[in-house]
Amino acid sequence: EAQVTQNPRYLITVTGKKLTVTCSQNMNHEYMSWYRQDPGLGLRQIYYSMNVEVTDKGDVPEGYKVSRKEKRNFPLILESPSPNQTSLYFCASSLMTGTNQPQHFGDGTRLSIL
Amino acid sequence: GESVGLHLPTLSVQEGDNSIINCAYSNSASDYFIWYKQESGKGPQFIIDIRSNMDKRQGQRVTVLLNKTVKHLSLQIAATQPGDSAVYFCAENSGGSNYKLTFGKGTLLTVNP
Repeated sequence: EAQVTQNPRYLITVTGKKLTVTCSQNMNHEYMSWYRQDPGLGLRQIYYSMNVEVTDKGDVPEGYKVSRKEKRNFPLILESPSPNQTSLYFCASSLMTGTNQPQHFGDGTRLSIL
Repeated sequence: GESVGLHLPTLSVQEGDNSIINCAYSNSASDYFIWYKQESGKGPQFIIDIRSNMDKRQGQRVTVLLNKTVKHLSLQIAATQPGDSAVYFCAENSGGSNYKLTFGKGTLLTVNP
């Protein structure tokens, strides 16, 4: 089944303790992206990647890092999490065919930073 | 600046009725638009998309209309069912090469049996 898989689905942790949220897709998509979803603010892009070893900042990159060492994986790293990073996070992927293609989303990771 | 918004934050309809969810966008350079459905506890699910060279596109029970003159997008759901209850988002791509999507805030659709 074609899907985007995120882990963990839920995490409660404390300020300053490094964490990584993994994202994997099995559709051979070139494009991958991370979003955060907050009440009243909708979905905002954190980082995106257009191919292996190619990453770039989205609208709200502060406090986050990403890497794209393999095509299928795009982990989101919080080196020193803070309470304002408490949010619902989504990973998405899409083909890049020269014309726009819809992004396919994982089921989300709910992070709580105490 | 760029913005994608929704006219109605909530919409309640009777089962079997047609639903119309509206979206306004402000970036005239946007050339690709998508509607997503998000159910509780799940990620956004692709419903239908439309490119700026079209003004209408139909799927199974859904139709998207694009009016570039007034920068307006709508999603029509025919014969709405309880399973259609969800939050619906419109998203636009501003035409840049980074495939970035800008999302609206969402409309909550509730279908009453």
